[in-house]
Amino acid sequence: DAGVTQSPTHLIKTRGQHVTLRCSPISGHKSVSWYQQVLGQGPQFIFQYYEKEERGRGNFPDRFSARQFPNYSSELNVNALLLGDSALYLCASSLSRSFGTEAFFGQGTRLTVV
Amino acid sequence: GIQVEQSPPDLILQEGANSTLRCNFSDSVNNLQWFHQNPWGQLINLFYIPSGTKQNGRLSATTVATERYSLLYISSSQTTDSGVYFCAVEKGGSNYKLTFGKGTLLTVNP
Repeated sequence: DAGVTQSPTHLIKTRGQHVTLRCSPISGHKSVSWYQQVLGQGPQFIFQYYEKEERGRGNFPDRFSARQFPNYSSELNVNALLLGDSALYLCASSLSRSFGTEAFFGQGTRLTVV
Repeated sequence: GIQVEQSPPDLILQEGANSTLRCNFSDSVNNLQWFHQNPWGQLINLFYIPSGTKQNGRLSATTVATERYSLLYISSSQTTDSGVYFCAVEKGGSNYKLTFGKGTLLTVNP
């Protein structure tokens, strides 16, 4: 069975541009979450989507947005990119949003903003 | 929010040695997971262990939820064990996000 897949794996963008990152969860998983990991730190929660609705949001500016599609895949969009947005973006899928559901992560998208 | 502290921040071992990594958390949790981040950035699930003890080969983990800590044991370490180990928790009542510690960087020398 395929795990969580993310695309692209690497991306270079210029300040002020917009970027879209994509994630396909494990088959049967309905919850997708996004995390940002900057160098030397643990991942930080950005969003959770479940059944195509935003269920949770971390402390990130409105430049960050996401959506989930009927097939449970998801997109993370970042507008007006800043140098500080350079990071590894990780997508996690889980079976549901119930208490204590195990999360599985994709390989990440490494975004560099120049 | 919930605080997650991992120790030690760095650990250097010779191949064959044993080690213990610790994760302390500041509130009750529904979920606790240990991950190994490989050099390419992917988080590999090691254990899903909100309480109790589990073993998988040379690795084992124990979570004492009432005392708010978890331990990851690595026995007979190998060079392939090198990397960053993260503990992540889901706070009780906020069933939508994992909060990660800063990780332990493990280096196993041949």
